[in-house]
Amino acid sequence: GAVVSQHPSWVICKSGTSVKIECRSLDFQATTMFWYRQFPKQSLMLMATSNEGSKATYEQGVEKDKFLINHASLTLSTLTVTSAHPEDSSFYICSASEGGEQYFGPGTRLTVT
Amino acid sequence: KQEVTQIPAALSVPEGENLVLNCSFTDSAIYNLQWFRQDPGKGLTSLLLIQSSQREQTSGRLNASLDKSSGRSTLYIAASQPGDSATYLCAVRRAQAGTALIFGKGTTLSVSS
Repeated sequence: GAVVSQHPSWVICKSGTSVKIECRSLDFQATTMFWYRQFPKQSLMLMATSNEGSKATYEQGVEKDKFLINHASLTLSTLTVTSAHPEDSSFYICSASEGGEQYFGPGTRLTVT
Repeated sequence: KQEVTQIPAALSVPEGENLVLNCSFTDSAIYNLQWFRQDPGKGLTSLLLIQSSQREQTSGRLNASLDKSSGRSTLYIAASQPGDSATYLCAVRRAQAGTALIFGKGTTLSVSS
């Protein structure tokens, strides 16, 4: 099956710094990728839809200037959390569609101290 | 707005029992429905994908059914094992290929030996 990777798998950063998370489709091309966030004991909430070569579409309530998404190629999307704060600590998961099914990355655990 | 509800939120059973997890969604105009498994602190593992035109899918001890008109899906797990302990997530895709998944909050299953 299709494989999606994320890097890093976990990261700890200080409040006020920025963190970049990469999402790659390893064996297929994805014109659309999705970014989700999951707080402890909660479900996955869609943050934004990342489109190759164009601006991302953000869900209501998600600050586009804080969560910068770049989909530079058909196999890579990046999420940058700018000026991170402790409340941004969460599990971030990306996914990509192929053949009508979505494949998820392993997730990135972000802890902001 | 599509909403996905999963009942029960948590379930504890002894090993060997057959069990049913329930998922309901408010908008029947879906493209497909997926069941996932998530282990603590980990990413998602896709279990079954049911297209909107299908009634059920089976994989090993798992069987998922879909009644689109009533907005319901069930995941049946036969002969449960301790290794089945995890959170099970139901997600629906809106009525277009390539759109994001909308997740329920999940059912946390614990199977005791």
